[in-house]
Amino acid sequence: QQPVQSPQAVILREGEDAVINCSSSKALYSVHWYRQKHGEAPVFLMILLKGGEQKGHEKISASFNEKKQQSSLYLTASQLSYSGTYFCGTATDSWGKLQFGAGTQVVVTP
Amino acid sequence: SAVISQKPSRDICQRGTSLTIQCQVDSQVTMMFWYRQQPGQSLTLIATANQGSEATYESGFVIDKFPISRPNLTFSTLTVSNMSPEDSSIYLCSSRSTKDWGAFFGQGTRLTVV
Repeated sequence: QQPVQSPQAVILREGEDAVINCSSSKALYSVHWYRQKHGEAPVFLMILLKGGEQKGHEKISASFNEKKQQSSLYLTASQLSYSGTYFCGTATDSWGKLQFGAGTQVVVTP
Repeated sequence: SAVISQKPSRDICQRGTSLTIQCQVDSQVTMMFWYRQQPGQSLTLIATANQGSEATYESGFVIDKFPISRPNLTFSTLTVSNMSPEDSSIYLCSSRSTKDWGAFFGQGTRLTVV
């Protein structure tokens, strides 16, 4: 079952912050975050494992609330390069298939 | 990290024909995944391919329409059979990294059926 991702789209000025949410009705082993630019394949950003950890990648970080089966991706002090579509992917075991959310289109303007 | 070479990158095909998409990984991987992505949409998993066993298909996808081969640990093919315009989409192969467990993807095949 596809995880639910919100918002559908967000427009930011350079330097602003944004939060993207991802929730699942299933018990998750891990949540992944990817960014896809137009015409390109998705690129892996980070993975969060069950246990409720938080991770960071430059000024992009994420958290995973295992009790709620929810993850959030935080874009801090956004840069023009952050523009793209962000997908969360969820897995119910360590090496298994990923189910992707509908995606959040992020546009960062100067 | 590992790299997947996928080909063709794009093709325009006549309805009723078949197209085989190839993915070559530069290292051995246990599982490979095939996704379909309509323009502006999310990735939909078609099937999971393990070497030495039949592929496992997701609901809505069948082997007769999307036969998959996985002859060894570095290669897989997906065939889109008896194509119709509804099959027009981007097809992506993927696997998981043993370093960080993230998924990595081939460059995608943009298929247009006319």
